[in-house]
Amino acid sequence: AQKVTQAQTEISVVEKEDVTLDCVYETRDTTYYLFWYKQPPSGELVFLIRRNSFDEQNEISGRYSWNFQKSTSSFNFTITASQVVDSAVYFCALILPGGYQKVTFGTGTKLQVIP
Amino acid sequence: ETGVTQSPTHLIKTRGQQVTLRCSSQSGHNTVSWYQQALGQGPQFIFQYYREEENGRGNFPPRFSGLQFPNYSSELNVNALELDDSALYLCASSSPDREASPLHFGNGTRLTVT
Repeated sequence: AQKVTQAQTEISVVEKEDVTLDCVYETRDTTYYLFWYKQPPSGELVFLIRRNSFDEQNEISGRYSWNFQKSTSSFNFTITASQVVDSAVYFCALILPGGYQKVTFGTGTKLQVIP
Repeated sequence: ETGVTQSPTHLIKTRGQQVTLRCSSQSGHNTVSWYQQALGQGPQFIFQYYREEENGRGNFPPRFSGLQFPNYSSELNVNALELDDSALYLCASSSPDREASPLHFGNGTRLTVT
């Protein structure tokens, strides 16, 4: 069975600080996909990034960056120079290929950016 | 491009009643899945529909059922509502063109069972 752990329940940072959200996953499969989603107060989950298990390259998109390390089964997400609009709940998720797309989500990390 | 839309936004029901939630998938997406998100938790997979057939189900009892229509819109039906069914119900659509393609979510329906 798959499992995704987001140990940080809530994080508060002051605007312009950098913040890293941790994600640790468990699966016995060698092929899998990892995602990060953002859930603002409106409720809609917004897709941020998709990474497959064979691609360990770190990725940067603007102020966002992701660090994927298979050796530690982690897929951490860093926001540089945080802004108030970054305040939301962030979910890490895991999906196995083939068949239906059952996504296993972590419990989420609530990020509050204080002006 | 039209995104995923869900209705209603909010709903209050009494224990034992039945409820139907609706979802219109994003244009071009023929796969729809439903998730239950309890307060402070991550979304839990209920089931997925592809070409009007249920092709995957999570750990939810049979009183959770669904439909997908030829236009790929979908319904989630819950019978004999229980207090623990109170949650945000999210619908997501995706395209089968790419393996593990990202899910596109609606804003959800917040169901309160009293």
